[in-house]
Amino acid sequence: SQTIHQWPATLVQPVGSPLSLECTVEGTSNPNLYWYRQAAGRGLQLLFYSVGIGQISSEVPQNLSASRPQDRQFILSSKKLLLSDSGFYLCAWSGGTDNQPQHFGDGTRLSIL
Amino acid sequence: GESVGLHLPTLSVQEGDNSIINCAYSNSASDYFIWYKQESGKGPQFIIDIRSNMDKRQGQRVTVLLNKTVKHLSLQIAATQPGDSAVYFCAETYSGNTPLVFGKGTRLSVIA
Repeated sequence: SQTIHQWPATLVQPVGSPLSLECTVEGTSNPNLYWYRQAAGRGLQLLFYSVGIGQISSEVPQNLSASRPQDRQFILSSKKLLLSDSGFYLCAWSGGTDNQPQHFGDGTRLSIL
Repeated sequence: GESVGLHLPTLSVQEGDNSIINCAYSNSASDYFIWYKQESGKGPQFIIDIRSNMDKRQGQRVTVLLNKTVKHLSLQIAATQPGDSAVYFCAETYSGNTPLVFGKGTRLSVIA
């Protein structure tokens, strides 16, 4: 069966520090991969999605970036965090064909101080 | 459609009653719809999906209804239990391997 792993579960970072959040998927190949951010008590905001290695689509302009160095690995990065980057970051995967549900990881709670 | 900047509406129901959570979508081209359940501090969990060639689909204690004419989707939960307390999101997409667009979510509170 397929599984998705995100880490760390929680992270506290100072303003201006770099960020690297990692997500890996097991049990499937050629998945679509997604990064979302969720503010407290709010909906999900799509940040990036990828349909293949090295293919990244950005949905929201910001100081974050994403990379997909391997088929089942998706990384969210920042060179310099802002206070507004605080939130709950969720990684998800779906099958690479039409009309497939997305399956989410357990998320990373990021607090910027 | 996506409304990530809004606070979540809340639905309170008595334990044992049926719950109905509604969702309006905006894209008439959408042909695939999903309901997710998100518990506090966790990622959204898939509940049930429906394709546009169907009006109704049933799962275990849940039913999804799709009205394409008025672009409305609903999730019915039978005999609501305390464990059903969570935020529920609808999501839509259309053919072409496009990302899901999430609704704003509804918080369901079950009163014991």
